[in-house]
Amino acid sequence: SQKIEQNSEALNIQEGKTATLTCNYTNYSPAYLQWYRQDPGRGPVFLLLIRENEKEKRKERLKVTFDTTLKQSLFHITASQPADSATYLCALLNSGYSTLTFGKGTMLLVSP
Amino acid sequence: NAGVTQTPKFQVLKTGQSMTLQCAQDMNHNSMYWYRQDPGMGLRLIYYSASEGTTDKGEVPNGYNVSRLNKREFSLRLESAAPSQTSVYFCASSGGTLGGFYEQYFGPGTRLTVT
Repeated sequence: SQKIEQNSEALNIQEGKTATLTCNYTNYSPAYLQWYRQDPGRGPVFLLLIRENEKEKRKERLKVTFDTTLKQSLFHITASQPADSATYLCALLNSGYSTLTFGKGTMLLVSP
Repeated sequence: NAGVTQTPKFQVLKTGQSMTLQCAQDMNHNSMYWYRQDPGMGLRLIYYSASEGTTDKGEVPNGYNVSRLNKREFSLRLESAAPSQTSVYFCASSGGTLGGFYEQYFGPGTRLTVT
C-alpha cells in the first residue's frame, strides 16, 4: 500500500542552524510533491511545490530536494529562527491528479 | 480577499445529532476539499469536488455527505454524529480541476466534539 513517512519525533535545533526534515514514500510514483507549514490551531499553509524533473527548489531560506530514485524529499530551513517553529507536512500527488495525500508531519522547535 | 472561510469554529454535538459544516472560498478555485485531522493520524481526505457539480469520495467518507452548492461553497454534513467523528475539520481549495497540481489553501478549521 502507499505510504508516506515523516519523522514523528520533534526536531529540536538552535537558532541559526539549518533544519533538515525528511519525507520518505513507498509505492508512489508522484509527479509532484508539496510542503506545508502548520501552526497550532491553524490550517496548513503552502510553502513549496517541486516537480519530479526538478532536483531542487529554493525560496528565500527554504530549500526542497526531490529524489525519485531514493523516494525521498528533504526540506531545509537555513539560518533557522524561533518563528520557524511549527509542524511541517509533505504531500504527494495521487494518481488521477486531483488530490494529495499528506504525511503526518514533523514538528520543528527552534530555540533561541 | 478572505480566502477560505469555515463556519462554525467550534461545535459540540450529542451522539445522533446532525449538523452541516460550511465552507466558502473567494479565489475562484475549481477544486474544493474536506479533510479531518486527528492526533497521530495526520490530515485525511473525506470528500472532494474537482469542479462545480461533481463530488468524489476520499479516504474516509463513511458517515459524511457533501454538497457543492456553487463554485464558491462546499458543505459537509454529518447525518448522525458519532464520537469517532470528534476531530478538527479543514476545508481547502485549489485552482484547476486537476487540483493536485496546485497548492491548496486551507480554512481555519472547525473543532467538533461529539459526546
